[in-house]
Amino acid sequence: SQQGEEDPQALSIQEGENATMNCSYKTSINNLQWYRQNSGRGLVHLILIRSNEREKHSGRLRVTLDTSKKSSSLLITASRAADTASYFCAAYQGAQKLVFGQGTRLTINP
Amino acid sequence: DVKVTQSSRYLVKRTGEKVFLECVQDMDHENMFWYRQDPGLGLRLIYFSYDVKMKEKGDIPEGYSVSREKKERFSLILESASTNQTSMYLCASSLLAAYNEQFFGPGTRLTVL
Repeated sequence: SQQGEEDPQALSIQEGENATMNCSYKTSINNLQWYRQNSGRGLVHLILIRSNEREKHSGRLRVTLDTSKKSSSLLITASRAADTASYFCAAYQGAQKLVFGQGTRLTINP
Repeated sequence: DVKVTQSSRYLVKRTGEKVFLECVQDMDHENMFWYRQDPGLGLRLIYFSYDVKMKEKGDIPEGYSVSREKKERFSLILESASTNQTSMYLCASSLLAAYNEQFFGPGTRLTVL
């Protein structure tokens, strides 16, 4: 069962543009996390936003959380070719089981 | 720099073979996890462990077992590999406290012929 579902499934933009990915989840959460996966590799943790936070920044990343709508968004500003990857949101079901969405596949075109 | 390593990046095995996938972390994390990742199905939790010799079933434990004899090492065992176990296997670890971020290894792409 999925806790998070990303939208869109795939996104293709030009280098330098901003990329926005959305995530919706089903149950109440302690925090929501975003991960990146380069093709054929493991996942890398990007950012964690707690349920009492509305917005968080890390470098070119900006994450928002709307607990009333059970949704989150990840914005990558000034995209680069190296940002090409799949991006996953994840939230816990219970205290130890992290459940991932299907991911958004982001392609940055030069 | 935190690190989770997996014994193989690519592995090819035959149906019926016993397969061992090894995962080692150097962060002194209590929790360790095994996932498989398949197109269209996302990441699915196979097993996790929150302490040495402790294990908990995830969503899809059938056909798998695990071993955690030391804190830093978590092994996934396919008792009798089948073609439907062809997949990407990802190991992760985290601190014991609830709701933490997880650190992933590079993955093992297993093909069962």
